[in-house]
Amino acid sequence: GNSVTQMEGPVTLSEEAFLTINCTYTATGYPSLFWYVQYPGEGLQLLLKATKADDKGSNKGFEATYRKETTSFHLEKGSVQVSDSAVYFCALGLTDSNYQLIWGAGTKLIIKP
Amino acid sequence: SAVISQKPSRDICQRGTSLTIQCQVDSQVTMMFWYRQQPGQSLTLIATANQGSEATYESGFVIDKFPISRPNLTFSTLTVSNMSPEDSSIYLCSVEDGTGNTEAFFGQGTRLTVV
Repeated sequence: GNSVTQMEGPVTLSEEAFLTINCTYTATGYPSLFWYVQYPGEGLQLLLKATKADDKGSNKGFEATYRKETTSFHLEKGSVQVSDSAVYFCALGLTDSNYQLIWGAGTKLIIKP
Repeated sequence: SAVISQKPSRDICQRGTSLTIQCQVDSQVTMMFWYRQQPGQSLTLIATANQGSEATYESGFVIDKFPISRPNLTFSTLTVSNMSPEDSSIYLCSVEDGTGNTEAFFGQGTRLTVV
């Protein structure tokens, strides 16, 4: 079946540290991959996406590359800020699944000054 | 893209009562989704609502408990019926962007506390 496995949190880092949040998936077909972010007290926002193998999504200094060979879509940022503290969700979407998204469990990120 | 307005943003309700959550989209969309996010958890899909047809419920969710209306292509409601404290969650409305690439847009959510 289709599933998303995300790195367990919370992940605690100091400001300006390098961030990696791992995400791997299993899917039949050719999914699109997404990272969503949920800031405290808010709804979900799309952070970045990639729709085919080797695509790199990027936004706000975050990047993730769609790796078909390792079925991964790891989220990275070179230098995190306190304002990046949030919960990050990896998700995959398949157009033959009625456009439903399959969600990872979410990873809480805490950045300390 | 789509802009989604969801209301109420939060509510505190007595057990045994019902709450209707509204979701308004600024453009016509075919598919709308209702999710539940329990404290510290990921999103769980409750149902998919298409205009002009009955909502499709996921395993563990039933129409009597979570009736959904979808009267047109820009609006939907989710009712949480006969509430208990276990229903305390964030409820999220989402739409697919209509381009076929499965990107989803979300309302800000309704934070429900049942006392």
